[in-house]
Amino acid sequence: DAGVTQSPTHLIKTRGQHVTLRCSPISGHKSVSWYQQVLGQGPQFIFQYYEKEERGRGNFPDRFSARQFPNYSSELNVNALLLGDSALYLCASSFYTGASNTGELFFGEGSRLTVL
Amino acid sequence: QKEVEQDPGPLSVPEGAIVSLNCTYSNSAFQYFMWYRQYSRKGPELLMYTYSSGNKEDGRFTAQVDKSSKYISLFIRDSQPSDSATYLCAMSAGQAGTALIFGKGTTLSVSS
Repeated sequence: DAGVTQSPTHLIKTRGQHVTLRCSPISGHKSVSWYQQVLGQGPQFIFQYYEKEERGRGNFPDRFSARQFPNYSSELNVNALLLGDSALYLCASSFYTGASNTGELFFGEGSRLTVL
Repeated sequence: QKEVEQDPGPLSVPEGAIVSLNCTYSNSAFQYFMWYRQYSRKGPELLMYTYSSGNKEDGRFTAQVDKSSKYISLFIRDSQPSDSATYLCAMSAGQAGTALIFGKGTTLSVSS
């Protein structure tokens, strides 16, 4: 069975540019979450989507946005990139059904973004 | 005070040692407790999952949760070089739309 797949795996951008990261969840999972992991830190929550609706948002500026498609795949968009946006961006899918968030997340390998 | 505190290490042990990894937390609403293992340049993988207080064992791994002390632990018995990774504790209050809160991670190195 395919796990969570993310693309691209690595990318380099310059300050001020825009980036789009993509994620396909595990088959049968309807919830996708995005996390940012800066080197030496634990992952930090950015967004959770379920059934194409935003269900949670972390403490990130409006430059970060996301969406979920009818096939449950998702995109994370970051505008006006800053040097501090350099990080591993992780997508995770779960069995979340819209009720409680038990927290069992299945992560992809991540997209490593470098902003120069 | 951060919601979840975890000693980042690094922690170096010889093969066969017993390893103890710990996290403390401040939010008494946390009910779900997890340990993730993350190899270098990979995504985290779920290792252990516990609901509320108590112990859970899976092979060489034992997870303990003490909600009264707001303290969770992961024990690794007979550690192997393949256990060398970063171990992240994570927890959730469980309400819809809430996030998984991670510790910084502890880097473990097991030498043969």
